[in-house]
Amino acid sequence: ETVLTQSPGTLSLSPGERATLSCRASQSVSSSYLAWYQQKPGQAPRLVMYGASNRATGIPDRFSGSGSGTDFTLTISRLEPEDFAVYYCQQYGTSPLCSFGQGTKLEIK
Amino acid sequence: QVQLVQSGAEVKKPGSSVKVSCKASGGTFGNYAISWVRQAPGQGLEWMGGIIPIFGTADYAQKFQGRLTITADDSTSTAYMELSSLRSEDTAVYFCARSSVALANDAFDIWGQGTVVTVSS
Repeated sequence: ETVLTQSPGTLSLSPGERATLSCRASQSVSSSYLAWYQQKPGQAPRLVMYGASNRATGIPDRFSGSGSGTDFTLTISRLEPEDFAVYYCQQYGTSPLCSFGQGTKLEIK
Repeated sequence: QVQLVQSGAEVKKPGSSVKVSCKASGGTFGNYAISWVRQAPGQGLEWMGGIIPIFGTADYAQKFQGRLTITADDSTSTAYMELSSLRSEDTAVYFCARSSVALANDAFDIWGQGTVVTVSS
């Protein structure tokens, strides 16, 4: 079973700073099948990145994704107030068919 | 523009079952996998299972095997999630979500609004 571990659990930063979120898999994940979601309180998750490094529709270019194998990263180059949320990584296609990391809360410092 | 609209909030007794619907509008339904994801209060996302409607066979997370049934009705563009033998730990928001790629399990680009299920005696 593929387990995703995200770090840090909470990241406290100021607007304008750079955010780096990590997602580590217990076994190799195809980069084609690694996604990131943003979730704000009371809302459904929103797809941010798919295929590890492809921005979803409407996602600004300050968001970027990278990684391969077991280590993946979501980077937000210059934080805007609307970027503060919880972020989840997700793998799909391996056993189980889908699983999520436990989330990283990005909060305003 | 495809939208997923879920049924309303439910309050259930322990040991009972709940069935939540997810109706798609504005696009093709049968070719795209629909997954169910739940989120307990203050917790993260948990994938429960999914189905590609035109194939009709569902896949389930091991944790829910034997207690979860996912079905889909292509004629009404509606997917269903039925969870039985409910316990307090099943109290959560239940989301349906659509795969972004036809006939494949892929990232979820469209989500329902969520359905709150409360299990309480």
